[in-house]
Amino acid sequence: TQLLEQSPQFLSIQEGENLTVYCNSSSVFSSLQWYRQEPGEGPVLLVTVVTGGEVKKLKRLTFQFGDARKDSSLHITAAQPGDTGLYLCAGVKSFSTDKLIFGTGTRLQVFP
Amino acid sequence: DAGVIQSPRHEVTEMGQEVTLRCKPISGHDYLFWYRQTMMRGLELLIYFNNNVPIDDSGMPEDRFSAKMPNASFSTLKIQPSEPRDSAVYFCASRRQGGLATEQFFGPGTRLTVL
Repeated sequence: TQLLEQSPQFLSIQEGENLTVYCNSSSVFSSLQWYRQEPGEGPVLLVTVVTGGEVKKLKRLTFQFGDARKDSSLHITAAQPGDTGLYLCAGVKSFSTDKLIFGTGTRLQVFP
Repeated sequence: DAGVIQSPRHEVTEMGQEVTLRCKPISGHDYLFWYRQTMMRGLELLIYFNNNVPIDDSGMPEDRFSAKMPNASFSTLKIQPSEPRDSAVYFCASRRQGGLATEQFFGPGTRLTVL
């Protein structure tokens, strides 16, 4: 059973469009991270959110942690071809573990 | 500074052969993680170490998989005997001791193909 479900699985858009990726679970997470992975490379951390309702912005990317700490979203404004990649959410279930549980992933393609 | 180093980058082997994947974590990092990534199952944690000690190996699929960390700068993941279903990209990641917000740094991965 996949604890973190991401939607959509695939997304193809034109440069300049906006998009939102969702990361949902029925479990509560003590913290949640978003990573981006490019072909042939390992995932790279974009952001960490730890407080329910927290919103963080990274240039054109806006990340939100749900109030109940069960879900998160990533919104990209005016997408660019350089945003192309696999986006992964990853959560830590409790303070007693160091394990990250990764989501199912969203593959984004931005066309010029 | 060098990131996480993995070798080999690509490995092609035949079913039944032993495969050894290698990882050098970032100097000073206390945690080391081994992951496997496939299209079907996504990114799965296999095992992780803290200060060279295996903490959780519940993700290791079978007894054919084993991992060691003989010192703070080196770890291996061994598959013996290998099977076609082991074909995947294997990532090593490391991080410092710290809270839940501590970043994991991933290596470039080893793409394993078992024929």
